[in-house]
Amino acid sequence: GQQVMQIPQYQHVQEGEDFTTYCNSSTTLSNIQWYKQRPGGHPVFLIQLVKSGEVKKQKRLTFQFGEAKKNSSLHITATQTTDVGTYFCAGPDSGGSNYKLTFGKGTLLTVNP
Amino acid sequence: DVKVTQSSRYLVKRTGEKVFLECVQDMDHENMFWYRQDPGLGLRLIYFSYDVKMKEKGDIPEGYSVSREKKERFSLILESASTNQTSMYLCASRQGDNEQFFGPGTRLTVL
Repeated sequence: GQQVMQIPQYQHVQEGEDFTTYCNSSTTLSNIQWYKQRPGGHPVFLIQLVKSGEVKKQKRLTFQFGEAKKNSSLHITATQTTDVGTYFCAGPDSGGSNYKLTFGKGTLLTVNP
Repeated sequence: DVKVTQSSRYLVKRTGEKVFLECVQDMDHENMFWYRQDPGLGLRLIYFSYDVKMKEKGDIPEGYSVSREKKERFSLILESASTNQTSMYLCASRQGDNEQFFGPGTRLTVL
């Protein structure tokens, strides 16, 4: 079945350092979504990318969708303690139920102040 | 403010008990989902529903069943709780291929 892989699984940075998490799908995706889960919280939607090669920015966060629409990345510039959490990517299921998302296992980011 | 609510934040049950986890959304979404989240395993889909009375198995349906009698409500049932079902359970809803909204989660402990 469809697989969505995320690396790294964990990342610890000093406050002010940059951070990147990568997402790779075994199948071509029509779109990709990113979610953030704060410690003790639930996943919250960040953004959706649809077009091949698309780049979107939200303040210090930059999201990219690969040209082949099989990979994506989330880059955070100059991390802050408020960035702590687990970042998930998710793509529509390739089996026909495209309202069902396949989630990566997430990257847990910790930030040392 | 759109919402997905879950009946309990914390729940403690005994092995063999029947457990009901309730989820309600107020966004008139067609699609609703139940996940469990365990450290290192990410979000695993248990069941989902794309319409009232319609359901489909997710990746780990064994030991669980679901009920969706009304559009806004999606229930997860553990017929006979076991210790390996101790986990965080997250409900979510979604309309089409738009963003997915999650509830706050229920942390279930089975003793």
